[in-house]
Amino acid sequence: KAGVTQTPRYLIKTRGQQVTLSCSPISGHRSVSWYQQTPGQGLQFLFEYFSETQRNKGNFPGRFSGRQFSNSRSEMNVSTLELGDSALYLCASSLAGGVFQPQHFGDGTRLSIL
Amino acid sequence: GQQLNQSPQSMFIQEGEDVSMNCTSSSIFNTWLWYKQDPGEGPVLLIALYKAGELTSNGRLTAQFGITRKDSFLNISASIPSDVGIYFCAGQDGTASKLTFGTGTRLQVTL
Repeated sequence: KAGVTQTPRYLIKTRGQQVTLSCSPISGHRSVSWYQQTPGQGLQFLFEYFSETQRNKGNFPGRFSGRQFSNSRSEMNVSTLELGDSALYLCASSLAGGVFQPQHFGDGTRLSIL
Repeated sequence: GQQLNQSPQSMFIQEGEDVSMNCTSSSIFNTWLWYKQDPGEGPVLLIALYKAGELTSNGRLTAQFGITRKDSFLNISASIPSDVGIYFCAGQDGTASKLTFGTGTRLQVTL
C-alpha cells in the first residue's frame, strides 16, 4: 500500500518568492494535515483539510495557505517567503480525521530560503 | 507554538538495554501517539493510545496512556542499533485532527 507522497523533496527559493508543495495521501484517506518542522519550534500544526474544506488551522500567518482537491490530494502555498520559512514541511493523512484516526506522515519537503 | 514536555532530551544506551521515555502536558488529550523519525524521513507511527490507563505493545515497544490523560510513557526493551532515531510523542484532543508534538527524545545506541 503506497504511503503519503510529497513532492518535491527539496526546494530552494529566495526571499519574496512563493512556493507550492504537493501531497498525495494514502489511498482512501480523506483528511490531509500539514506541519512545519524546525529545530527551534519542533513540529507545529499548520492546517487540516477534509472534503476540500479547511477544517482546522494553526497559528501561522496568512502567507501560508492550502487547498484540497476532489481526489483528496492537497497543496500548500507559501507567499512572500521569509528566511524563517526554511523548514521541513510534512504532510499527514488519515481516514477521516479526528480522534481514533491516527495520522500517517510523508517524508516531507525540505524548503530552504536564501 | 505549543510543544509537550518530553524527557529525556537525549539518551546514549548500550545495545540490549531497556529504554524509557515520557511525555507530559498541561492539558488533557483524548489520544496519545508515539512516532519515530529517522534522518531525512517523516515520522513513522509506532503506537496509538485511545483510552486513559491503556497499555499497548508493538513488538519490543510498550506505551501507556496516563490515567490523568496528561501524560504518556514509551518503553523499548532490549534495544538494537536500528532503534536509533528521534522519538516524538503527540497528543490529540477533541475531534480535531491537530496533533501537538513533544520536543523529542534522541536515542543513540552503542554496540
